[in-house]
Parts: sequence; C-alpha cells; structure tokens
Amino acid sequence: SQTIHQWPATLVQPVGSPLSLECTVEGTSNPNLYWYRQAAGRGLQLLFYSVGIGQISSEVPQNLSASRPQDRQFILSSKKLLLSDSGFYLCAWSARGPGSPLHFGNGTRLTVT
Amino acid sequence: AQSVTQLDSQVPVFEEAPVELRCNYSSSVSVYLFWYVQYPNQGLQLLLKYLSGSTLVESINGFEAEFNKSQTSFHLRKPSVHISDTAEYFCAVSLNTGFQKLVFGTGTRLLVSP
Repeated sequence: SQTIHQWPATLVQPVGSPLSLECTVEGTSNPNLYWYRQAAGRGLQLLFYSVGIGQISSEVPQNLSASRPQDRQFILSSKKLLLSDSGFYLCAWSARGPGSPLHFGNGTRLTVT
Repeated sequence: AQSVTQLDSQVPVFEEAPVELRCNYSSSVSVYLFWYVQYPNQGLQLLLKYLSGSTLVESINGFEAEFNKSQTSFHLRKPSVHISDTAEYFCAVSLNTGFQKLVFGTGTRLLVSP
C-alpha cells in the first residue's frame, strides 16, 4: 500500500533562518506531489505542485521554494523565514489522471519566532 | 477558475442528532467533488468523492453527500453523529479535465457534544 511520510512534525525557527521540510512517498511511482499551507482558521492554500522530477509549479509568489530531486521526494525550502511563514504545512500525493484524490501526510507545524 | 464556499465555519450539534455541512462550488465546466476530514494536528483524510454516476455517494462511517448540479452544491450529511465525528471538514473541487488540482473550501468545524 502507499504511504506518505512528512517530517518534522513540529518546528520552531527564528526569523531569518533557513527551512527545509521533506516529504517522501512509498508504494507508488510517478505521483503528482503537492505542498499546501494551512493558516490558523483558514482553508488550505496550494503552494507548489509537481508532475515529475525537476518539474515545479508555483501557485503563489512567496518566500518559499520547492524541489523534487527524486520521483517520490518533495522538499519545501526557504532561505530566510518570515513571521508570516508560520503555519501548518501539508504534503500530498495523487495518482495521475483526473479524479484521483489527494492523500495527505500528517503535516508539519512551523512556528517562526 | 473554480471555487468552493463553505458558509458555516462551525456547526455545534448534540450526539445522535442529524447534521448537514453545506458546500457550494462555482465552475464553468464539469467538476469532481470531494469531502475531507481533518482531526486535530493531523493531515486530511478522504471521506468521500463524486466523480460521475449516482449523485449520492456514501462513506464507510455513515456520512453521505449528494451532488446537485442545478444548485452547484455537494452538502455532507449524517443522520446520527457521534462524539468521534468532532473534526474539521473540508469540501474540495477539481476540474475533470487536465491536471488534478484541488481547490479547498475554508472548512467547517463540527462540534459534537453529549
């Protein structure tokens, strides 16, 4: 069966520090990969998605970047964190093809102080 | 572009009472519809989905949702809720063509009390 791993579960970082969140998927090949952010009391905002190695699409201009160095690995990064980067970050994968549901990791709660 | 509206940010209900969580979407083309549930400090779990066919879809834990094309709605219902149903529920929509990219509503917090 397919599983998705996301770490760390919680992270407290000072303003201006770098960020690296990692997500890996097991049990499937060529997944679509996604990074979402969930701010307190708000819905989910799609940050990045990827349809293949090295292929990254950004949904909103921001202080973050994403990379996909391997087929089942998706990394969210920042060179210098801002206070506004605090939130709950969720990685997800889906199979290819319309109608395929997203499957989410357990999320990373990031607090920028 | 498609969008999703969940008008109720919070729905309090007593245990064993029925509940309906509302979801309306906007799209100029045909869509796929989903309901996800999120328990505290966890990721989202797929509850049910509508892709095509019967407009009434059911989940394994007693929830059901009905796709109403004329009213562009996909409301979630359960005839009798349990304490364990307390969670955040998200409605989501994607176009049924091209790349699968979900747009989520802002969520409805279901609070079940004894």
